[in-house]
Amino acid sequence: QLVESGGDLIQPGGSLRLSCAASGFTVSRSHMTWVRQAPGKGLEWVSLIYNGGTTYYADSVRGRFTISKDNSKNTLYLQMNSLRAEDTAMYFCARVESDSWEWFDPWGQGTLVTVSS
Amino acid sequence: DIQMTQSPSSLSASVGDRVTITCRTSQTISNYLNWYQQVPGKAPKLLIYAASRLQSGVPSRFSGTGYGTDFTLTITSLQPEDFATYYCQQSYDVPNTFGQGTRLDIK
Repeated sequence: QLVESGGDLIQPGGSLRLSCAASGFTVSRSHMTWVRQAPGKGLEWVSLIYNGGTTYYADSVRGRFTISKDNSKNTLYLQMNSLRAEDTAMYFCARVESDSWEWFDPWGQGTLVTVSS
Repeated sequence: DIQMTQSPSSLSASVGDRVTITCRTSQTISNYLNWYQQVPGKAPKLLIYAASRLQSGVPSRFSGTGYGTDFTLTITSLQPEDFATYYCQQSYDVPNTFGQGTRLDIK
């Protein structure tokens, strides 16, 4: 199970850190990802971290967002800086299952980030 | 980036119908293709991975086919709980892009 938190109303240019607490599996041994969904829009992949620490980002967030894990807390994070109006979205975390192929399962319920003045 | 094109963008169907949703990719991705279902207000749910492998617990009326650049999701005998939005996603390369979604409504 995954439970996100940290979403809020934030002004443009501000920072926010999202958390994704995992239970039932160990985050340190897992690949994890963040996906977002702007209001009324489709899914957009944001970032991914492999269990070895390699990270990837969408072009739209690279240099502003940082994905990380705290193994002691079994939690995934997304540090979001220099936020823009277009970052407004529901943010979902998910585990990346891997067995030759990769897929996202399970997903958290999401946390809402609203960037507005 | 690999572009994903789903069709149709929306469709209306009745309980008991069979529907097919198509996903086309801008370059070949072998069978690195997943399908998700999203009910309004809920998180996406994995249905199919590796193009044709049914996720545990997903009803057998859902099936996926395809390889390379062309993929399909078929739902046979639609049930009321199947009316939702469906997304394809490629996991062949980063960024792991999604299709724009197909909204399935009750006719």
